[in-house]
Amino acid sequence: DQQVKQNSPSLSVQEGRISILNCDYTNSMFDYFLWYKKYPAEGPTFLISISSIKDKNEDGRFTVFLNKSAKHLSLHIVPSQPGDSAVYFCAALKDSSYKLIFGSGTRLLVRP
Amino acid sequence: ETGVTQTPRHLVMGMTNKKSLKCEQHLGHNAMYWYKQSAKKPLELMFVYSLEERVENNSVPSRFSPECPNSSHLFLHLHTLQPEDSALYLCASSPLAGSTDTQYFGPGTRLTVL
Repeated sequence: DQQVKQNSPSLSVQEGRISILNCDYTNSMFDYFLWYKKYPAEGPTFLISISSIKDKNEDGRFTVFLNKSAKHLSLHIVPSQPGDSAVYFCAALKDSSYKLIFGSGTRLLVRP
Repeated sequence: ETGVTQTPRHLVMGMTNKKSLKCEQHLGHNAMYWYKQSAKKPLELMFVYSLEERVENNSVPSRFSPECPNSSHLFLHLHTLQPEDSALYLCASSPLAGSTDTQYFGPGTRLTVL
Protein backbone atom coordinates (compact mmCIF):
# COMPACT_ATOMS: atom_id res chain seq x y z
CA ASP A 1 0.00 0.00 0.00
CA GLN A 2 1.43 3.36 -1.02
CA GLN A 3 2.20 5.64 1.91
CA VAL A 4 2.59 8.71 -0.31
CA LYS A 5 0.03 9.26 -3.02
CA GLN A 6 -0.20 11.67 -5.89
CA ASN A 7 -3.64 11.01 -7.27
CA SER A 8 -3.38 13.23 -10.34
CA PRO A 9 -1.05 11.68 -12.90
CA SER A 10 -1.12 14.83 -15.02
CA LEU A 11 -1.99 18.52 -14.91
CA SER A 12 -2.18 21.12 -17.68
CA VAL A 13 -2.03 24.83 -16.90
CA GLN A 14 -1.82 28.01 -18.94
CA GLU A 15 1.38 30.02 -18.70
CA GLY A 16 1.11 32.74 -16.04
CA ARG A 17 -1.57 30.92 -14.06
CA ILE A 18 -1.17 29.00 -10.82
CA SER A 19 -0.23 25.31 -10.80
CA ILE A 20 -1.33 23.32 -7.76
CA LEU A 21 0.08 19.85 -7.29
CA ASN A 22 -1.32 17.71 -4.51
CA CYS A 23 0.06 14.93 -2.36
CA ASP A 24 -1.52 12.81 0.39
CA TYR A 25 0.21 10.60 2.90
CA THR A 26 -0.97 7.94 5.30
CA ASN A 27 1.83 7.64 7.86
CA SER A 28 1.52 10.18 10.68
CA MET A 29 5.17 9.49 11.61
CA PHE A 30 6.40 11.37 8.56
CA ASP A 31 7.91 14.64 9.71
CA TYR A 32 9.68 16.02 6.67
CA PHE A 33 8.38 16.44 3.15
CA LEU A 34 10.06 17.29 -0.11
CA TRP A 35 9.19 18.05 -3.70
CA TYR A 36 11.44 16.97 -6.53
CA LYS A 37 11.19 17.90 -10.19
CA LYS A 38 12.26 15.61 -13.01
CA TYR A 39 12.89 16.45 -16.65
CA PRO A 40 13.13 13.66 -19.24
CA ALA A 41 16.53 11.92 -19.35
CA GLU A 42 17.59 13.61 -16.10
CA GLY A 43 17.48 12.56 -12.47
CA PRO A 44 15.07 14.20 -10.01
CA THR A 45 16.24 17.54 -8.66
CA PHE A 46 15.29 18.92 -5.28
CA LEU A 47 12.83 21.79 -5.39
CA ILE A 48 11.53 22.67 -1.93
CA SER A 49 10.92 21.03 1.44
CA ILE A 50 8.90 21.54 4.60
CA SER A 51 9.22 20.30 8.14
CA SER A 52 6.16 19.09 10.00
CA ILE A 53 6.55 21.93 12.50
CA LYS A 54 5.62 24.37 9.76
CA ASP A 55 2.55 24.72 7.59
CA LYS A 56 4.07 26.78 4.79
CA ASN A 57 7.41 27.25 3.12
CA GLU A 58 8.06 29.63 0.26
CA ASP A 59 10.91 29.91 -2.20
CA GLY A 60 10.40 32.34 -5.03
CA ARG A 61 7.56 31.14 -7.25
CA PHE A 62 7.24 27.89 -5.29
CA THR A 63 5.27 27.47 -2.08
CA VAL A 64 4.58 24.25 -0.25
CA PHE A 65 1.64 24.00 2.15
CA LEU A 66 1.28 21.27 4.77
CA ASN A 67 -1.99 20.29 6.43
CA LYS A 68 -1.04 17.73 9.06
CA SER A 69 -4.56 17.02 10.24
CA ALA A 70 -5.56 16.14 6.68
CA LYS A 71 -2.21 14.46 5.93
CA HIS A 72 -2.04 16.55 2.81
CA LEU A 73 0.52 18.78 1.19
CA SER A 74 0.46 20.84 -1.94
CA LEU A 75 2.92 22.64 -4.16
CA HIS A 76 1.89 25.95 -5.66
CA ILE A 77 3.77 27.44 -8.59
CA VAL A 78 2.92 31.06 -9.35
CA PRO A 79 3.22 32.21 -12.05
CA SER A 80 3.68 29.01 -14.01
CA GLN A 81 6.20 29.06 -16.85
CA PRO A 82 6.67 26.65 -19.78
CA GLY A 83 10.05 25.65 -18.29
CA ASP A 84 8.18 24.28 -15.28
CA SER A 85 6.82 21.48 -17.46
CA ALA A 86 8.19 18.33 -15.83
CA VAL A 87 7.20 15.46 -13.57
CA TYR A 88 6.87 16.49 -9.92
CA PHE A 89 7.41 13.97 -7.13
CA CYS A 90 6.31 14.39 -3.56
CA ALA A 91 8.44 12.55 -0.97
CA ALA A 92 8.28 12.00 2.77
CA LEU A 93 10.76 11.11 5.46
CA LYS A 94 10.52 9.82 9.02
CA ASP A 95 12.91 11.23 11.61
CA SER A 96 16.35 9.58 11.38
CA SER A 97 15.14 7.24 8.69
CA TYR A 98 17.20 6.48 5.62
CA LYS A 99 14.10 5.85 3.62
CA LEU A 100 12.69 8.60 1.43
CA ILE A 101 9.18 7.49 0.37
CA PHE A 102 8.13 8.85 -3.01
CA GLY A 103 4.78 9.35 -4.64
CA SER A 104 4.26 8.21 -8.20
CA GLY A 105 4.54 11.71 -9.65
CA THR A 106 2.39 14.27 -11.45
CA ARG A 107 3.27 15.36 -14.96
CA LEU A 108 2.81 19.13 -15.28
CA LEU A 109 2.41 20.76 -18.67
CA VAL A 110 2.49 24.54 -18.79
CA ARG A 111 1.03 25.74 -22.09
CA PRO A 112 2.47 28.92 -23.62
CA GLU B 1 32.43 16.41 -13.92
CA THR B 2 30.12 17.77 -11.29
CA GLY B 3 27.23 16.34 -9.32
CA VAL B 4 26.26 12.70 -9.65
CA THR B 5 27.09 10.74 -12.79
CA GLN B 6 25.91 7.31 -13.84
CA THR B 7 27.15 4.93 -16.51
CA PRO B 8 25.95 3.48 -18.72
CA ARG B 9 22.89 5.57 -19.47
CA HIS B 10 21.20 2.69 -21.29
CA LEU B 11 21.76 -1.05 -20.93
CA VAL B 12 20.14 -4.03 -22.61
CA MET B 13 21.01 -7.43 -21.22
CA GLY B 14 19.87 -11.01 -21.40
CA MET B 15 18.75 -12.93 -18.36
CA THR B 16 22.01 -14.88 -18.16
CA ASN B 17 24.31 -11.87 -18.46
CA LYS B 18 26.33 -10.23 -15.72
CA LYS B 19 26.64 -6.47 -15.87
CA SER B 20 27.39 -3.60 -13.51
CA LEU B 21 26.00 -0.11 -13.11
CA LYS B 22 28.35 2.60 -11.94
CA CYS B 23 27.66 5.77 -9.99
CA GLU B 24 30.12 8.49 -9.07
CA GLN B 25 29.49 11.57 -6.97
CA HIS B 26 31.71 14.64 -7.00
CA LEU B 27 30.00 16.40 -4.10
CA GLY B 28 32.03 15.13 -1.16
CA HIS B 29 28.99 13.36 0.28
CA ASN B 30 29.14 10.47 2.74
CA ALA B 31 25.92 8.68 1.84
CA MET B 32 24.95 7.02 -1.43
CA TYR B 33 21.73 5.36 -2.53
CA TRP B 34 20.33 3.09 -5.24
CA TYR B 35 16.72 3.56 -6.29
CA LYS B 36 14.58 1.68 -8.79
CA GLN B 37 11.78 3.29 -10.78
CA SER B 38 9.54 0.88 -12.66
CA ALA B 39 6.99 2.12 -15.17
CA LYS B 40 4.12 4.03 -13.51
CA LYS B 41 5.44 3.25 -10.02
CA PRO B 42 7.09 5.45 -7.39
CA LEU B 43 10.83 5.45 -6.88
CA GLU B 44 11.74 2.60 -4.54
CA LEU B 45 14.78 2.69 -2.33
CA MET B 46 17.00 -0.36 -2.83
CA PHE B 47 20.20 0.22 -0.86
CA VAL B 48 21.82 2.88 1.32
CA TYR B 49 25.51 3.24 2.06
CA SER B 50 26.84 5.50 4.76
CA LEU B 51 30.61 5.99 4.94
CA GLU B 52 31.01 2.96 2.67
CA GLU B 53 28.98 0.74 4.99
CA ARG B 54 25.63 -0.67 3.87
CA VAL B 55 22.98 0.55 6.29
CA GLU B 56 19.81 -0.36 4.43
CA ASN B 57 18.86 -3.27 2.23
CA ASN B 58 15.24 -2.80 1.33
CA SER B 59 14.32 -6.45 0.72
CA VAL B 60 16.09 -6.51 -2.61
CA PRO B 61 16.64 -9.89 -4.33
CA SER B 62 20.17 -11.23 -4.24
CA ARG B 63 20.50 -10.95 -8.02
CA PHE B 64 21.22 -7.29 -7.26
CA SER B 65 24.53 -6.86 -5.46
CA PRO B 66 25.76 -3.40 -4.44
CA GLU B 67 29.34 -2.40 -3.82
CA CYS B 68 30.72 0.81 -2.36
CA PRO B 69 34.54 0.79 -2.57
CA ASN B 70 34.82 4.39 -1.37
CA SER B 71 32.54 7.30 -0.56
CA SER B 72 32.61 8.60 -4.14
CA HIS B 73 31.75 5.41 -6.00
CA LEU B 74 28.82 3.04 -5.91
CA PHE B 75 28.21 0.00 -8.08
CA LEU B 76 25.22 -2.23 -8.65
CA HIS B 77 26.20 -5.66 -9.93
CA LEU B 78 23.49 -7.46 -11.87
CA HIS B 79 23.27 -11.21 -12.37
CA THR B 80 20.54 -13.46 -13.79
CA LEU B 81 17.97 -10.71 -13.89
CA GLN B 82 14.34 -11.15 -14.88
CA PRO B 83 12.37 -9.12 -17.45
CA GLU B 84 10.42 -7.51 -14.60
CA ASP B 85 13.71 -5.98 -13.43
CA SER B 86 13.59 -3.67 -16.45
CA ALA B 87 13.42 -0.17 -14.99
CA LEU B 88 15.23 3.11 -14.49
CA TYR B 89 17.93 2.74 -11.84
CA LEU B 90 18.83 5.96 -10.10
CA CYS B 91 21.78 6.69 -7.88
CA ALA B 92 21.73 9.50 -5.34
CA SER B 93 24.03 10.95 -2.72
CA SER B 94 23.64 13.17 0.32
CA PRO B 95 25.96 14.68 2.92
CA LEU B 96 24.73 12.27 5.58
CA ALA B 97 22.38 9.31 5.70
CA GLY B 98 19.48 9.29 8.13
CA SER B 99 19.02 13.03 8.01
CA THR B 100 16.95 15.59 6.15
CA ASP B 101 19.89 16.44 3.91
CA THR B 102 18.81 16.80 0.31
CA GLN B 103 19.55 13.83 -1.89
CA TYR B 104 21.14 14.64 -5.24
CA PHE B 105 20.27 12.26 -8.06
CA GLY B 106 22.14 11.09 -11.09
CA PRO B 107 20.45 10.86 -14.51
CA GLY B 108 19.80 7.15 -14.16
CA THR B 109 20.50 4.00 -16.16
CA ARG B 110 17.62 2.71 -18.26
CA LEU B 111 17.87 -1.09 -18.01
CA THR B 112 16.07 -3.49 -20.30
CA VAL B 113 16.22 -7.21 -19.54
CA LEU B 114 15.32 -9.44 -22.46
